[in-house]
Amino acid sequence: GQQVMQIPQYQHVQEGEDFTTYCNSSTTLSNIQWYKQRPGGHPVFLIQLVKSGEVKKQKRLTFQFGEAKKNSSLHITATQTTDVGTYFCGGAAGNKLTFGGGTRVLVKP
Amino acid sequence: DSGVTQTPKHLITATGQRVTLRCSPRSGDLSVYWYQQSLDQGLQFLIQYYNGEERAKGNILERFSAQQFPDLHSELNLSSLELGDSALYFCASSLSGTEGTPQYFGPGTRLLVL
Repeated sequence: GQQVMQIPQYQHVQEGEDFTTYCNSSTTLSNIQWYKQRPGGHPVFLIQLVKSGEVKKQKRLTFQFGEAKKNSSLHITATQTTDVGTYFCGGAAGNKLTFGGGTRVLVKP
Repeated sequence: DSGVTQTPKHLITATGQRVTLRCSPRSGDLSVYWYQQSLDQGLQFLIQYYNGEERAKGNILERFSAQQFPDLHSELNLSSLELGDSALYFCASSLSGTEGTPQYFGPGTRLLVL
């Protein structure tokens, strides 16, 4: 079955620095979604990418969908303490949305 | 606030017992999903309903069952509970049941089995 992997599992970032988290699917996706779960909270939908090579920005967050529609990345610039949480990607294929294991982001002030 | 409601927020019970978790989707959403999240783990998909019918099944144990009612609310029944069933259970809803429709999560029910 379809598998979605996220790396890294944990990301320790100094406040103000940039980082990138990656999402890789074993199969070609129709689209990919990103969610953020704050500590003690529930996953919140951030964005959906549909087209090959698509890039979308939300303030300091840049989301990219790979040309082959099998991978995606989330890049955060100038990390702030409000970026703390777990970022999940969800790959859509075969009428299913499969979530990756998440990247847990910890910010050092 | 996602518009998805879940009750109860917290549940403490003993091994061998049975509990029912309830979810009301966002207004207009036809599809409901159930997920299990153990401590600091990912989201394990359990089951999906669309407009009252089961649409997809994930890693749901035989001791667990779910249904979606005509008013579109859903219930997840967990029976013969074991210590390992302690987890956060999320319900999510989406407008349609097709792949890639963004899902909106409820606040979750935290289950503790003692």
